[in-house]
Amino acid sequence: QSALTQPASVSGSPGQSITISCTGTSSDVGGYNYVSWYQQYPGKAPKLMIYDVSNRPSGVSNRFSGSKSGNTASLTISGLQAEDEADYYCSSYTSSSTGVFGTGTKVTVL
Amino acid sequence: QVQLQESGPGLVKPSQTLSLTCTVSGGSINSGSFYWSWIRQPAGKGLEWIGRIYTSGSTNYNPSLKSRVTISVDMSKNQFSLRLSSVIAADTAVYYCAREGGAIAFDQWGQGTLVIVSS
Repeated sequence: QSALTQPASVSGSPGQSITISCTGTSSDVGGYNYVSWYQQYPGKAPKLMIYDVSNRPSGVSNRFSGSKSGNTASLTISGLQAEDEADYYCSSYTSSSTGVFGTGTKVTVL
Repeated sequence: QVQLQESGPGLVKPSQTLSLTCTVSGGSINSGSFYWSWIRQPAGKGLEWIGRIYTSGSTNYNPSLKSRVTISVDMSKNQFSLRLSSVIAADTAVYYCAREGGAIAFDQWGQGTLVIVSS
């Protein structure tokens, strides 16, 4: 299985909105509403930010939102803040009952 | 709040078997409908899903690692384990254990443990 494709980097100014894409196939992203998003700071374990395409776990800011169209899922961060500067990964369930992660996106707050 | 903690050797020789254990505290590994997973991350690179086990013992593995991976669970010790055989330098990574709260949605993570494959 191939890693899901994400842009290597995305940047934005404080207060702006940015969107990170996560492109797969009909055997993973496009076939199931089981896409999750993670935030990871250097040297730390990832943190779940979005699950099942668009659901936020308790405690995650509503500035984070998820969506999906076809084989591409997206994470939008609204009202960008300095603390949002981190690496972000998507993941998806696959038709083989396995999991696959995205290539990762580094978010920079200008 | 469930907590996970990885443990095991930090250095493994090439061709040998990497063995790690994840101890779950703050809750029973057998409670709820959870999968228990292993994920790894080479330095400076992305996350790679290794595999998972359900409390029934049912497992799923990454096809690229399937021939070398075994994940098992010991409910009496509230632990699950990873064995990766015939390791090579490319298996050097931080290894995380995680709870899968939904389909490939990892809601609880261990802190990660660095395993270096070197002679």
